[in-house]
Amino acid sequence: GAVVSQHPSWVICKSGTSVKIECRSLDFQATTMFWYRQFPKQSLMLMATSNEGSKATYEQGVEKDKFLINHASLTLSTLTVTSAHPEDSSFYICSARGAVSWAEQYFGPGTRLTVT
Amino acid sequence: EDQVTQSPEALRLQEGESSSLNCSYTVSGLRGLFWYRQDPGKGPEFLFTLYSAGEEKEKERLKATLTKKESFLHITAPKPEDSATYLCAVQGISSGSARQLTFGSGTQLTVLP
Repeated sequence: GAVVSQHPSWVICKSGTSVKIECRSLDFQATTMFWYRQFPKQSLMLMATSNEGSKATYEQGVEKDKFLINHASLTLSTLTVTSAHPEDSSFYICSARGAVSWAEQYFGPGTRLTVT
Repeated sequence: EDQVTQSPEALRLQEGESSSLNCSYTVSGLRGLFWYRQDPGKGPEFLFTLYSAGEEKEKERLKATLTKKESFLHITAPKPEDSATYLCAVQGISSGSARQLTFGSGTQLTVLP
């Protein structure tokens, strides 16, 4: 149980284009989803927290107009990187927390974004 | 502000050589301390949650313990497949209803055959 998927697993896009990453909780309802960014050999940096049906809460320094987050249902959250630039290249990971198991976060496999 | 420090940054062990990873934390009211395993290019895999000092949890060759200031992840007779980065995270009262995690920088474990 507690499986989270992400799609795509990797994507290459050109500078100036937008990319959408999907995060799904497959076997539980995720009341809260989190989006992280991870640079090579570094730990996870929380970007934003989203609750189903509400606007996302962004961490300090994260541009909300650049990283659009939508949590439209209890099983799906999306992260759209708008007008991507090479410095947005990174490993993006989502996690989900359910209402029943309030403590643990379960992570997706991550999406490798490369902007050329 | 919650803080997590993990040591060592990297650890190389021979197969069968037991050792411990350390996670020191400061938090204003601990809700939970979490251990995750992360393989290269993949998302973290949940291992344990510890809630109060004195608590211990085991899973195969791994055992996690918790005190009021730190947690240890003991690895007994490790195998090469235990090679991964081990991440420690805390969830404090300051995380509010969202219950965000604050992660340490991880310990990269390599177990040599």
